[in-house]
Amino acid sequence: EVQLLESGGGLAQPGGSLRLSCAASGFTFVSYAMTWVRQAPGKGLEWVSFISANSAVIYYIDSVKGRFTVSRDNSENTVYLQMSSLRAEDTAVYYCAKVSTTAIKGYLDYWGQGTLVTVSS
Amino acid sequence: DIQMTQSPSTLSASVGDRVTITCRASQTISRSLAWYQQKPGRPPKLLIYKASNLESGVPSRFSGGGSGTEFTLTINSLQPDDFATYYCQHYIGYPYTFGQGTKLDI
Repeated sequence: EVQLLESGGGLAQPGGSLRLSCAASGFTFVSYAMTWVRQAPGKGLEWVSFISANSAVIYYIDSVKGRFTVSRDNSENTVYLQMSSLRAEDTAVYYCAKVSTTAIKGYLDYWGQGTLVTVSS
Repeated sequence: DIQMTQSPSTLSASVGDRVTITCRASQTISRSLAWYQQKPGRPPKLLIYKASNLESGVPSRFSGGGSGTEFTLTINSLQPDDFATYYCQHYIGYPYTFGQGTKLDI
């Protein structure tokens, strides 16, 4: 059974940092790309970041470029999202999601339960 | 970036009804479209991929169609469990974008 478990969310001050983790199990993690998707309170879904299986290809939404860094440790079956220079508009539930194929592009077939990030003074 | 526009934003229906949600892309995305269902406090759940392929375990009353820039999600014979918010999403390239969501309620 595929499981994705996010952690690391919480309260951060504007300008502060947080590191999210997503521990994966139930599939061959080293073969699949992963993404982060966020959802502000009461709002829709927004794709945030992508990392390929071997970390060679990385993408970000424009609003987080230069502030967020995605990485993964295939020996630990974990993907990370390092968030810096946090802003109030980064407040959201952050989901990690598995990309369906071993290629770069694919739909998101499994999602974690999400972790809430609140940016406030 | 490709914009995804869903209609309607809210849809009121009753158990047993047939409903259709439309998703339009600002440029052609071939059939690289997925539909997700989300209930309050829960993560999205994949329903349909490649525009019309039903994800394993999803009831057959859900169906998807379309290609290019216009897509539909149809739910036949609505069940109480179907009242949720539905999102479309393209995956033709990055950045991925989602529709704004369609809330299906009674």
